[in-house]
Amino acid sequence: DAKTTQPNSMESNEEEPVHLPCNHSTISGTDYIHWYRQLPSQGPEYVIHGLTSNVNNRMASLAIAEDRKSSTLILHRATLRDAAVYYCILRDDYNFNKFYFGSGTKLNVKP
Amino acid sequence: DAGITQSPRHKVTETGTPVTLRCHQTENHRYMYWYRQDPGHGLRLIHYSYGVKDTDKGEVSDGYSVSRSKTEDFLLTLESATSSQTSVYFCAMRPTGGNGYTFGSGTRLTVV
Repeated sequence: DAKTTQPNSMESNEEEPVHLPCNHSTISGTDYIHWYRQLPSQGPEYVIHGLTSNVNNRMASLAIAEDRKSSTLILHRATLRDAAVYYCILRDDYNFNKFYFGSGTKLNVKP
Repeated sequence: DAGITQSPRHKVTETGTPVTLRCHQTENHRYMYWYRQDPGHGLRLIHYSYGVKDTDKGEVSDGYSVSRSKTEDFLLTLESATSSQTSVYFCAMRPTGGNGYTFGSGTRLTVV
């Protein structure tokens, strides 16, 4: 299974943009890039996903490198409620039930 | 909230006893999953189900069994609990053709 690499932790100031990087150099052509986040004492929640093109939704934006070996989750204006662990996950379209989480990036948002 | 609930929320049990955790959903989703999460780690897939009576192993299935006799219920059983199975267990569901997983709030299991 393709693996992802994320920084262990990042810090941001409230109301500033946050760019969370993810490297996935062994990504295959059928792997979708998913992002989830886990707030303290809660289960993970879906943030966004994409295949090749950049994606936007109400929560965040996903920027995917042209060679797809890396991606960046962008929170446009961080709030204190965005403090969480963010997971970048590759999902194989042929084995879509084998959905494996890594260690994620713990985002701390300072007021 | 979000149509998926786990029970119990907390459980303390003794080594060697059987334990069953329940996941219940009200969305009629086909796919359901059990994960465990240990301190400093992300979630690891234990077992998943792709329909009634249809289940398969994940990456850490040893010591666990699952059953799904109804669409809405997915049970995780520890046949003989060990201290290494002390963890927080999360259940998740996903609709057919959908990409987003919805997770439950978790069950904190302590094996003493």
